[in-house]
Amino acid sequence: NAGVMQNPRHLVRRRGQEARLRCSPMKGHSHVYWYRQLPEEGLKFMVYLQKENIIDESGMPKERFSAEFPKEGPSILRIQQVVRGDSAAYFCASSPGQVLNEQFFGPGTRLTVL
Amino acid sequence: KQEVTQIPAALSVPEGENLVLNCSFTDSAIYNLQWFRQDPGKGLTSLLLIQSSQREQTSGRLNASLDKSSGRSTLYIAASQPGDSATYLCAVRRLNNNDMRFGAGTRLTVKP
Repeated sequence: NAGVMQNPRHLVRRRGQEARLRCSPMKGHSHVYWYRQLPEEGLKFMVYLQKENIIDESGMPKERFSAEFPKEGPSILRIQQVVRGDSAAYFCASSPGQVLNEQFFGPGTRLTVL
Repeated sequence: KQEVTQIPAALSVPEGENLVLNCSFTDSAIYNLQWFRQDPGKGLTSLLLIQSSQREQTSGRLNASLDKSSGRSTLYIAASQPGDSATYLCAVRRLNNNDMRFGAGTRLTVKP
């Protein structure tokens, strides 16, 4: 059973471009969480999704950031018009059906904005 | 609001020493607490998960304790090895909440 997969592992964008980060949850997991880790800081929650639904986006910046988890395919975290301050590691976690199950983390995508 | 603090921010010890990492949290209404290891440029590896009803969990040379009423957890590492060098993160899962709150981590270096 493969773990949580994220791609790309490293992503370089210039200011103003779009960044798309993908997360494939563990097999059988229908809940996905996105976290951001700024340099020298802990992870901070961004958004929680179930298939086709955003359940909690209280940690998402109000502008330029969006997330989806379609019925088929991976979850996508999309950042439009990236700025240098978006440079960070973005981690995805997944869990089985119930909300309070343990979350399993992917290896992360490291975004660098030039 | 739940705040998670880890002390110290960095720790360097000689090989073979026993050590304790500390984690404190401000809101005792938690569902569980989890300790992770993060190697440079890598993802998170779960080490131990303690449910709110438990006092401690052990795995090999690692022992994690939880005192919910005082808002504290410790991670004890016995007979440390250079391979233990990493950043250790503590995270709490709040009741009736969707996210985990992480501390900033303790960066551990074990010198041969």
